[in-house]
Amino acid sequence: EVQLVESGGGLVQPGGSLRLSCAASGFTFSSYSMNWVRQAPGKGLEWVSYISSGSSTIYYADSVKGRFTISRDNAKNSLYLQMNSLRDEDTAVYYCARATQNFDYWGQGTLVTVSS
Amino acid sequence: DIQMTQSPSSLSASVGDRVTITCRASQSVNSYLNWYQQKPGKAPKLLIYAASSLQSGVPSRFSGSGSGTDFTLTISSLQPEDFATYYCQQSYNTPRTFGQGTKVEIK
Repeated sequence: EVQLVESGGGLVQPGGSLRLSCAASGFTFSSYSMNWVRQAPGKGLEWVSYISSGSSTIYYADSVKGRFTISRDNAKNSLYLQMNSLRDEDTAVYYCARATQNFDYWGQGTLVTVSS
Repeated sequence: DIQMTQSPSSLSASVGDRVTITCRASQSVNSYLNWYQQKPGKAPKLLIYAASSLQSGVPSRFSGSGSGTDFTLTISSLQPEDFATYYCQQSYNTPRTFGQGTKVEIK
């Protein structure tokens, strides 16, 4: 069974940093690209970042470019999102999602709250 | 970036009703269009991929159609468990943009 489990969310002050993790199991993690998608409270889905299976290709949404860094460790079956210079508008539930030509599996999400 | 526009933003329907949600892309996405269902407090779930292919385990009352810029998600007979928010998403290019969502509520 495919499982994606996010962790690392929490309350952080504006300008602060946080590192999210996504632990994958039930599939060959190193063969799949991965994404981060977020959802602000009461709002829709926003794609955040993409990383290819071997980390050679990485993309970011304009809203997080230069502040967020996606990475992965295929030996640990783990995906990461380093978030720096956090802003109020980064408050959201952050999901990791497996990427084929669609997002076929999602984690349960981890809540990031940016507030003073 | 490709903009995805769904209509309506919300609708009220009764159990057994036929429900149709539309999604329009700001430029052609060929058939690279996916539909997701999201229930409150839960992660989105893939329903339809490549415009009309049913994801494994999804009931056959869900169907998708369209190509190019105009797409439709149809629920042939609405069931109690179908009350949720539905999102379209293009996977033609990056960023993988989503529509704003359509909330299906109980009438």
